[in-house]
This record gives sequence, structure tokens and C-alpha cells, in this order.
Amino acid sequence: IAGITQAPTSQILAAGRRMTLRCTQDMRHNAMYWYRQDLGLGLRLIHYSNTAGTTGKGEVPDGYSVSRANTDDFPLTLASAVPSQTSVYFCASSDSKGGGTDTQYFGPGTRLTVL
Amino acid sequence: GQNIDQPTEMTATEGAIVQINCTYQTSGFNGLFWYQQHAGEAPTFLSYNVLDGLEEKGRFSSFLSRSKGYSYLLLKELQMKDSASYLCAVSDSNYQLIWGAGTKLIIKP
Repeated sequence: IAGITQAPTSQILAAGRRMTLRCTQDMRHNAMYWYRQDLGLGLRLIHYSNTAGTTGKGEVPDGYSVSRANTDDFPLTLASAVPSQTSVYFCASSDSKGGGTDTQYFGPGTRLTVL
Repeated sequence: GQNIDQPTEMTATEGAIVQINCTYQTSGFNGLFWYQQHAGEAPTFLSYNVLDGLEEKGRFSSFLSRSKGYSYLLLKELQMKDSASYLCAVSDSNYQLIWGAGTKLIIKP
């Protein structure tokens, strides 16, 4: 593994189903982030984690949950998917506790469609 | 509220120079980033400015004026591979990145 990986690459999901998007990094970065990217809008932060064992809410956290059991993994769960959660999801990491001025590095993204 | 403004789309000619502007209004300022994003791919880091002035890195330069809440990304000697979206992002008082919607740059031969 080099950098950040995400799985699956894409997914079509029925509304109401539960879904976990996976994110793994091998750079030993402290901080990790989940964003969604929608056409015409900037990247919007869903949840973040400054270090293993801690998580925080971003701009659009409703309907999503995260966990950070170790440094490398930061899964994002949709408990009951709705069509408005159709988006491209990016995981990112940075070598800092508060994001701050440290560069964020992005995974390849997961394209999720909720029908 | 917090706001980042960039033009939606720009067109330029191969070999030319293009300037992509970004204006921002945020609660606090801890630096401004520019990222490049090719269609269907992840954003990749281009530049970071925290002090006023120009930062040059090869064909790309980025400028910042904190007093004006303004930055630009300057791309010289444009190549077809520069066709992409360019994202401006500001680190706010909580060190969270606030992102603009991006500027789609179309390069014509």
C-alpha cells in the first residue's frame, strides 16, 4: 500500500441500506478526514479525527458516523442511506493533530449512488 | 458565514499564461492552499501560502494578500495536461479547510 486507499471504488446502494466506506493510510499520519464532493459545491467535511481514538464532526455530519480504532483506518458508515447521500466521497490524511497548515493527502475516492 | 469564491470555468490556449483568482471570507486564517484535480481523480496539492507575497514553484506560482482576502494561482507555459479543476481552500481559525467549488480550466490547442 502506498498513500491512502479507499474501498469500494464505486457502489450503487438501495435507500435504507447500511454501508461502510473504507479508508486506510500507510503514512502514519495523525489526522484523517472524510469529505463529500458534489457538483458545483466545494469539498465539504463530514467527520474528522485528529488522532487515533478521537473523532469530531465537520460541516455535514448528519447521517454519517466514523470510528478511529487505530492510526491507519478511518471507516465511514452510512447507517440508513438516502438519495441525498449520492456523492463522491474522499478520505484524506495529514501529518498533524489539528489539520492546520499541514497538507492533506487524498485517497482516490468512492463514487456512491443511492437509489 | 464562511465563503470562498472562484470563477466556475476558464479557457486558455496551450503555451499561454492564465491566472485563477480566489477571494475568501473566513473566521480566522491559517493559510491558503491550491489543489489540482483532474476529472475523476483525487485532489493533489499544488501550493500553500500563509504570508503575503508570491510563491513560485516551476510553472506554477501562487500569490496571497491577507488584507484583501485574495489569492491567485498563475500557470505559465500551459500544457494540455493542465486541463483540470483548481481548488482553493482556506484553513480557518479551527484549522479546518474551507473549500471553494473549484475552477475548471480548459486548455485549447
